Amino acid sequence: DAKTTQPTSMDCAEGRAANLPCNHSTISGNEYVYWYRQIHSQGPQYIIHGLKNNETNEMASLIITEDRKSSTLILPHATLRDTAVYYCIVRPDSSYKLIFGSGTRLLVRP
Amino acid sequence: DVKVTQSSRYLVKRTGEKVFLECVQDMDHENMFWYRQDPGLGLRLIYFSYDVKMKEKGDIPEGYSVSREKKERFSLILESASTNQTSMYLCASSLTVSLYEQYFGPGTRLTVT
Repeated sequence: DAKTTQPTSMDCAEGRAANLPCNHSTISGNEYVYWYRQIHSQGPQYIIHGLKNNETNEMASLIITEDRKSSTLILPHATLRDTAVYYCIVRPDSSYKLIFGSGTRLLVRP
Repeated sequence: DVKVTQSSRYLVKRTGEKVFLECVQDMDHENMFWYRQDPGLGLRLIYFSYDVKMKEKGDIPEGYSVSREKKERFSLILESASTNQTSMYLCASSLTVSLYEQYFGPGTRLTVT
């Protein structure tokens, strides 16, 4: 499975957009990009996933570059409850495995 | 909303005890998973089940067994608990094996003394 690289930590102000980058330069054609987050003392929570095209749901937007070597998760209006560790995961469509790396610790400041 | 519940949030057991961790999901999902999460090691898959009575080993099955007698329930068993099994245990379920998202329970923090 392709590896991902994420910044260790980031912060943003409440109400502003949070843009979390992820590098996956060795991604192959059948691998999807997934984003999960884990709020302190809770289990991971699915946010969004995509293959090639940009995706949006009620939680976030996912922007994947044309060469698919990197992606950005966007939380359009961050709230204090969005403070969490965010994991970018690359996963083949045939695999059941989710391999969580270290993630990005996002702190949303009041 | 999918709900995955785990029987305990915190558990303290002694070395050598048999330990049962229970997980229940209410969305009729085919697949269920047990992970453990340790600082610096991320989440590691212990076992998963793709149907009642069906199971497959994950990356770290040693020292664990599982049981799935009913679709909604997946149990993780530590036959003889050891201190190196002190960890956060997370259960998850998903509709299909591959593409769809996994829904996680709140976790059980197990301490073996």
